[in-house]
Amino acid sequence: QSVLTQPPSASGTPGQRATISCSGSSSNIGSNTVNWYQQLPGTAPKLLIYSNNQRPSGVPDRFSGSKSGTSASLAISGLQSEDEADYYCAAWDDSLNGLWVFGGGTKLTVL
Amino acid sequence: QVQLQESGPGLVKPSQTLSLTCTVSGGSISSGTYYWSWIRQPAGKGLEWIGRIETSGSTNYNPSLKSRVTISVDTSKNQFSLKLSSVTAADTAVYYCARYEWFGEYFDYWGQGTLVTVSS
Repeated sequence: QSVLTQPPSASGTPGQRATISCSGSSSNIGSNTVNWYQQLPGTAPKLLIYSNNQRPSGVPDRFSGSKSGTSASLAISGLQSEDEADYYCAAWDDSLNGLWVFGGGTKLTVL
Repeated sequence: QVQLQESGPGLVKPSQTLSLTCTVSGGSISSGTYYWSWIRQPAGKGLEWIGRIETSGSTNYNPSLKSRVTISVDTSKNQFSLKLSSVTAADTAVYYCARYEWFGEYFDYWGQGTLVTVSS
């Protein structure tokens, strides 16, 4: 059971917009920034969004992030077949002595 | 370009200690504002943060694993290591090492991952 809650799956057709939600609590998303990672099949996760809505260099502006209260969202516009991957949200959790927590992951299918 | 590479046994017997090393290349492990972390992923499941170390030796561990985990660093070899004791089948996973940029608060470089299976 992951600390952050994501839908297990999402889908869209090429060119459409897809969104993935991530729900947490006051000790994680509510008080810290959110990162998003993309994991292509058989590969390591790759940083996609940091500080809620910032893109590392090289990440297309089709990817955007937002945060409100204890929830966050990842939006992918102009879906492409290569966007088919698993997406994970992550945040620092202030409980106990602190730890990084992840969502359970969302499998995005481009139909 | 920074690269991280995990190494260690792919098979560990139950109750024994899992030991992995992450070798950092393309930059000094001591430079910059970084922590060095271990993260694991059971097959078909999500990511679990194991812990992190600064090059000063200061560590933070996931409370759920803290009693069994030790992370250490060897700056002379540009490596950091993970030891997980008393393993069970539940510890079977792909283990990743990753660099954490503390100013930006994100994991920016990851190793390719190494599968560790716990089985007799």
